[in-house]
Amino acid sequence: GAGVSQSPSNKVTEKGKDVELRCDPISGHTALYWYRQSLGQGLEFLIYFQGNSAPDKSGLPSDRFSAERTGGSVSTLTIQRTQQEDSAVYLCASSLGVPTDTQYFGPGTRLTVL
Amino acid sequence: AQSVTQLGSHVSVSEGALVLLRCNYSSSVPPYLFWYVQYPNQGLQLLLKYTTGATLVKGINGFEAEFKKSETSFHLTKPSAHMSDAAEYFCAVRETSGSRLTFGEGTQLTVNP
Repeated sequence: GAGVSQSPSNKVTEKGKDVELRCDPISGHTALYWYRQSLGQGLEFLIYFQGNSAPDKSGLPSDRFSAERTGGSVSTLTIQRTQQEDSAVYLCASSLGVPTDTQYFGPGTRLTVL
Repeated sequence: AQSVTQLGSHVSVSEGALVLLRCNYSSSVPPYLFWYVQYPNQGLQLLLKYTTGATLVKGINGFEAEFKKSETSFHLTKPSAHMSDAAEYFCAVRETSGSRLTFGEGTQLTVNP
């Protein structure tokens, strides 16, 4: 069956521009997660959605970062006024929504801020 | 806050040798434990997980891990390494009432012919 998909796979942008990253979770998965993978920080949690609500957004690094989820499905992570330190691979994962469930990861979006 | 420590950012073994990747966690309550593998330019793939029950967990590709509460460890092993096992391996924990995964720093496994 279809896994988690993310688009674009690569994004190069200039400092100060806004970017949108998209995640399509596995059908039927109510929980959706965003993580960031960077050389200096490893794998970091950003935000968690249950349905369209985000009960845990404590990992968002600044108010330049925001995310939304619509229809209990697709999610968009938006980074405003990008900075070079935002360069990383942004990973999305989805699960059935209980703590024992496996989180299934997408291939990620590699963001490079010049 | 939970934390995960993976001892050894790089591990190198010969093909056919034992693979041992170490993971220790800090948590007041035993969490759920996971091992993921990441191949170059790909996302994370679950190898195995421990939630409850038997403390020796078997996963895909011949890997297994044992949860040892007294040692707060969840080390990953494979009896005989294959060239295709070369990848980065991440240990992760999740609180039993929580949502997020907390990852270790990762261990890059190299398999030499």
